[in-house]
Amino acid sequence: QKEVEQNSGPLSVPEGAIASLNCTYSDRVSQSFFWYRQYSGKSPELIMSIYSNGDKEDGRFTAQLNKASQYVSLLIRDSQPSDSATYLCAVTPGDSWGKLQFGAGTQVVVTP
Amino acid sequence: GAGVSQSPRYKVAKRGQDVALRCDPISGHVSLFWYQQALGQGPEFLTYFQNEAQLDKSGLPSDRFFAERPEGSVSTLKIQRTQQEDSAVYLCASSFRQGNTEAFFGQGTRLTVV
Repeated sequence: QKEVEQNSGPLSVPEGAIASLNCTYSDRVSQSFFWYRQYSGKSPELIMSIYSNGDKEDGRFTAQLNKASQYVSLLIRDSQPSDSATYLCAVTPGDSWGKLQFGAGTQVVVTP
Repeated sequence: GAGVSQSPRYKVAKRGQDVALRCDPISGHVSLFWYQQALGQGPEFLTYFQNEAQLDKSGLPSDRFFAERPEGSVSTLKIQRTQQEDSAVYLCASSFRQGNTEAFFGQGTRLTVV
């Protein structure tokens, strides 16, 4: 079992709709959670970080964290074709100095 | 520079050849990370530096892999006697604070071993 699990997709979303991405993690003492966006052939780009239970909103993005369920999600509202990318969930394990454990990513395709 | 800079962007190596990959982090960033990303997978942690100190090298896959950051800025990842399974994108990331993982990634070096 991988430490960080994501559905690989592709997740097809109509333009203007909400894209919902899910991530589960295995290390109960993980403290920091991140969402990265990666366009094909490009490097990961940090879009959201969340550290405490609840919701965190930034523009069209909302991250949700539930540590009891070991679950973190990302919502993308008003999806645009430019949101088509792979979204990587990343977690800092409890015993680390700051390294990230990544999921394999969920590919999102926004269709006009 | 404005971002994390990696060179070369692409490297083709013959099996058995040694390679050196360079990372120039964002100026003033204390933490530096190396990751390996295979096609269709998320990045896998290799090693972490805080300034010049290598605090975690648990992800280095074998003793053929070696990383250094002698002056606490530029870092080099060296792979000796490359094998085909070393083919991947090698990503460098840096962050401002110690252990802070709000890290910014470079464009990566795509290594192909033939």
